[in-house]
Amino acid sequence: AQKVTQAQTEISVVEKEDVTLDCVYETRDTTYYLFWYKQPPSGELVFLIRRNSFDEQNEISGRYSWNFQKSTSSFNFTITASQVVDSAVYFCALSEALRGSYIPTFGRGTSLIVHP
Amino acid sequence: GAVVSQHPSWVICKSGTSVKIECRSLDFQATTMFWYRQFPKQSLMLMATSNEGSKATYEQGVEKDKFLINHASLTLSTLTVTSAHPEDSSFYICSAGSWDQPQHFGDGTRLSIL
Repeated sequence: AQKVTQAQTEISVVEKEDVTLDCVYETRDTTYYLFWYKQPPSGELVFLIRRNSFDEQNEISGRYSWNFQKSTSSFNFTITASQVVDSAVYFCALSEALRGSYIPTFGRGTSLIVHP
Repeated sequence: GAVVSQHPSWVICKSGTSVKIECRSLDFQATTMFWYRQFPKQSLMLMATSNEGSKATYEQGVEKDKFLINHASLTLSTLTVTSAHPEDSSFYICSAGSWDQPQHFGDGTRLSIL
């Protein structure tokens, strides 16, 4: 079984604040992938990052950074100097080999509201 | 540009109508596509895995006679909501992607049954 927990349902910050979205996962597989997606109010899902289970290097992309720690089964996402355009629902997802296909399982999502 | 095209983006229809949603993979062949349903302020719930040339695999609790899935080619999967009722109103999203790549999502279909 696989499970993704995003304990923060909603986060509200003021523009320019840093914010971290938490993601904790459970899996018995040693090979898996973790993802983050952004869903703005318009509804489409935007891919942000993919990380495989063998690569624990943290990654930075502009104002976005990700901290992958297998020891705590966490894959947290930090937005530095948040902007109003960052307001969206962010989903963490996990996929592992299942029936020959990697079927992603999504967390419940964290709604980020950035106030001007 | 989009690699997965979903159509229509918005449907309003009367109760009892059947509605077909198309999901096309552009620029690549998708042997597997996924259909999700999303209620307001909730996560994506996997409904079924659509396999090209074979029957779809439905998740527990999803009525296969209600949600018909056809994956007749490597670039097209369709979801038909048969005899739709107001409780079927939701946001439906398809995705495609290989095992080691992120899913490419369609833009979703907002279905409203009156």
